[in-house]
Amino acid sequence: DADVTQTPRNRITKTGKRIMLECSQTKGHDRMYWYRQDPGLGLRLIYYSFDVKDINKGEISDGYSVSRQAQAKFSLSLESAIPNQTALYFCATSDLTSGATYNEQFFGPGTRLTVL
Amino acid sequence: ELKVEQNPLFLSMQEGKNYTIYCNYSTTSDRLYWYRQDPGKSLESLFVLLSNGAVKQEGRLMASLDTKARLSTLHITAAVHDLSATYFCAVDPLKLVFGKGTKLTVNP
Repeated sequence: DADVTQTPRNRITKTGKRIMLECSQTKGHDRMYWYRQDPGLGLRLIYYSFDVKDINKGEISDGYSVSRQAQAKFSLSLESAIPNQTALYFCATSDLTSGATYNEQFFGPGTRLTVL
Repeated sequence: ELKVEQNPLFLSMQEGKNYTIYCNYSTTSDRLYWYRQDPGKSLESLFVLLSNGAVKQEGRLMASLDTKARLSTLHITAAVHDLSATYFCAVDPLKLVFGKGTKLTVNP
């Protein structure tokens, strides 16, 4: 089974709708991240969380919100979706609690979101 | 603000040839990561470089880090079609900042 899972894998929605993307991990990592990927722009950080009580905005947080329901779960919400939020969304995890001194991130399979 | 620049952004090469992808970054960091992404797929970690002069090799790929020059290279030796993918470098001050990626196409 995959260590980092995302649901749904594909979603088509309409402008103005609220949508939630979910991420779960079984790696036991403390840190979780949400990125969006657009062609030619690489990956851009939306939000990140270093533990359950810690939420931080990334480079492009406007129009998004997140919830860290548990160490293993991190959800991304679009309160009122707009077409320029059409993108590929990735969740990632990393671990700095088990003695690791670097921030290697492990990515989920991605959610392809289309906003019409 | 940390900036990470990769070049080239697109690379088309023939099988059997060698080439290097460059990753420059704008502020001091001694941690750099290389990832591979196949079309429509997720990112897979390739290399973690943790100090100046670090060199890692896996098959036909070799990555190196020069923290003084703020430069990492990903060298491809005797390319094969299976290496066709997009390669990203990322730098870690506290959270990863990614380059825009280099789309590599290896032609027969």
